[in-house]
Amino acid sequence: GENVEQHPSTLSVQEGDSAVIKCTYSDSASNYFPWYKQELGKRPQLIIDIRSNVGEKKDQRIAVTLNKTAKHFSLHITETQPEDSAVYFCAASADYKLSFGAGTTVTVRA
Amino acid sequence: GAVVSQHPSRVICKSGTSVKIECRSLDFQATTMFWYRQFPKQSLMLMATSNEGSKATYEQGVEKDKFLINHASLTLSTLTVTSAHPEDSSFYICSVSSGAKETQYFGPGTRLLVL
Repeated sequence: GENVEQHPSTLSVQEGDSAVIKCTYSDSASNYFPWYKQELGKRPQLIIDIRSNVGEKKDQRIAVTLNKTAKHFSLHITETQPEDSAVYFCAASADYKLSFGAGTTVTVRA
Repeated sequence: GAVVSQHPSRVICKSGTSVKIECRSLDFQATTMFWYRQFPKQSLMLMATSNEGSKATYEQGVEKDKFLINHASLTLSTLTVTSAHPEDSSFYICSVSSGAKETQYFGPGTRLLVL
């Protein structure tokens, strides 16, 4: 099955700086890569996703890049704000089932 | 995105009892729903895929006789934890697939505590 690795496990950034989270996947058949943000005790919320026919996608302060050859994808958050503090999960899907990374706890220092 | 509800939001039960969790898709008909379990400070682990009108597909290591799934309508799937034990205490979250099918939207989760 699919194996998704995510780094770093924790990330502390100064407000206004950028945050980058990286994930790798093992199944070359994976073609859909969503990112979720989860606040403590809450549901995961989809923040951005990318499909395998696209190399990069941007939505305001959030961007995702995908390198299919290397089987890795990354989340970039620019101009971080305190409300960006949360746990972020990457995921990969080959057959409509999502395999999640271990998560990254992002703390934005004011 | 899809609007998904779960009930109850939290439940405390005694060891050996059964607990039913409901997952509802409120704004579209979901032929497929997914059930996940999340232990504290860990990731989401897929337990099973719930298909309307047919048997659920369970992931390796998940006991189908312990975690009963029923997807009787296009808007409702239920997960019953039978003979619950303290190690079943966890955050159980369902999700539904959108029309594009691969995009999943999550319910608010059910926190189960087994004493």
